Amino acid sequence: DAKTTQPNSMESNEEEPVHLPCNHSTISGTDYIHWYRQLPSQGPEYVIHGLTSNVNNRMASLAIAEDRKSSTLILHRATLRDAAVYYCIPRRDQNDMRFGAGTRLTVKP
Amino acid sequence: DTEVTQTPKHLVMGMTNKKSLKCEQHMGHRAMYWYKQKAKKPPELMFVYSYEKLSINESVPSRFSPECPNSSLLNLHLHALQPEDSALYLCASSPQGNYGYTFGSGTRLTVV
Repeated sequence: DAKTTQPNSMESNEEEPVHLPCNHSTISGTDYIHWYRQLPSQGPEYVIHGLTSNVNNRMASLAIAEDRKSSTLILHRATLRDAAVYYCIPRRDQNDMRFGAGTRLTVKP
Repeated sequence: DTEVTQTPKHLVMGMTNKKSLKCEQHMGHRAMYWYKQKAKKPPELMFVYSYEKLSINESVPSRFSPECPNSSLLNLHLHALQPEDSALYLCASSPQGNYGYTFGSGTRLTVV
């Protein structure tokens, strides 16, 4: 499995954009990049995933570098509810997903 | 129904007890998973079932015994646990293919 490197923690102000980076330099050509988040006292929640192209959904955008060795999760307007641990997960096997340490995002009012 | 339901939400058990955790989904997902999460750590994969067959066992001790009686249900049978097994146990399900997983809220287990 590809190794990931994410900042341990990040801070953002409410209603400002947040860019959460992830390095996955050992990713293989067929690994999809998945992002999950875990709010306090809850199970992880799927956010977004992509392979090569940038992706958007109602929760976030995913920007994938051209060489695929890094990606960035973009929250366009952070709210207090977005405070969570965010996990970047390169996934090769559809039925095998392992979490790294993630980034703890704090959102300040 | 777009949820994974886990019961019970909390469980306290002694080291000689036998108990079971239950996980249910009605989304037609054919892959189901058990994860273990210790405080302030990421979830760790324990077991994967695909089409009701065990496909991954991450060298989990035999005091944890998974069971998938049908495509909607996943159980985790617990026996002779140790205090260090106290953790949040998370169940998840997914369709086949590269789709997102849906997680339950977990069972918080305390072994005394």
